Amino acid sequence: AQSVTQLDSHVSVSEGTPVLLRCNYSSSYSPSLFWYVQHPNKGLQLLLKYTSAATLVKGINGFEAEFKKSETSFHLTKPSAHMSDAAEYFCVVGVFGNEKLTFGTGTRLTIIP
Amino acid sequence: EAQVTQNPRYLITVTGKKLTVTCSQNMNHEYMSWYRQDPGLGLRQIYYSMNVEVTDKGDVPEGYKVSRKEKRNFPLILESPSPNQTSLYFCASSAQGQSDTEAFFGQGTRLTVV
Repeated sequence: AQSVTQLDSHVSVSEGTPVLLRCNYSSSYSPSLFWYVQHPNKGLQLLLKYTSAATLVKGINGFEAEFKKSETSFHLTKPSAHMSDAAEYFCVVGVFGNEKLTFGTGTRLTIIP
Repeated sequence: EAQVTQNPRYLITVTGKKLTVTCSQNMNHEYMSWYRQDPGLGLRQIYYSMNVEVTDKGDVPEGYKVSRKEKRNFPLILESPSPNQTSLYFCASSAQGQSDTEAFFGQGTRLTVV
């Protein structure tokens, strides 16, 4: 069984300040973990993924995430927010060989000018 | 350009009137799937297909049908839509199983059943 919890449904930060979107997961096996972004009226786009290689994963647009097995966390960070980062972000867990992705409920990121 | 194309983007229909939402990908991907997105629930998988003529149920398959007669197409069929199927639907494809490879999503279909 697998599950994912996004700890904040809504995060607001000022432009130029750091972004932290929190995600905890549960999985019976070694997980694959993803962050996807959804801009208004668009489909989802992959930001980054972790698949048992380096625990610090760098993605597109300056985002990165760190896999922490001991904390079962995969938080998404960015050093400096940009207005174009305003979107909904989904943390997703999968298990190799089990063709099922489990999505978190999403975190809406608002950037304050 | 690599893409997943869904049609229509918006649809309003009445209860019980059969409808089909089409999905096509041009990346020669083997794996395709359908999701519905509802507020506060994230995305939930409806059906998936690992290859032509191979389909399986996801988490919320009730009231839906799919077919995979060709590799590029994966239509979603609602034989008798009901208001609780009002939702935002996404089709996705990936080169292999979705568990460890990137999934490419369509733009979404917003369905309203009245």
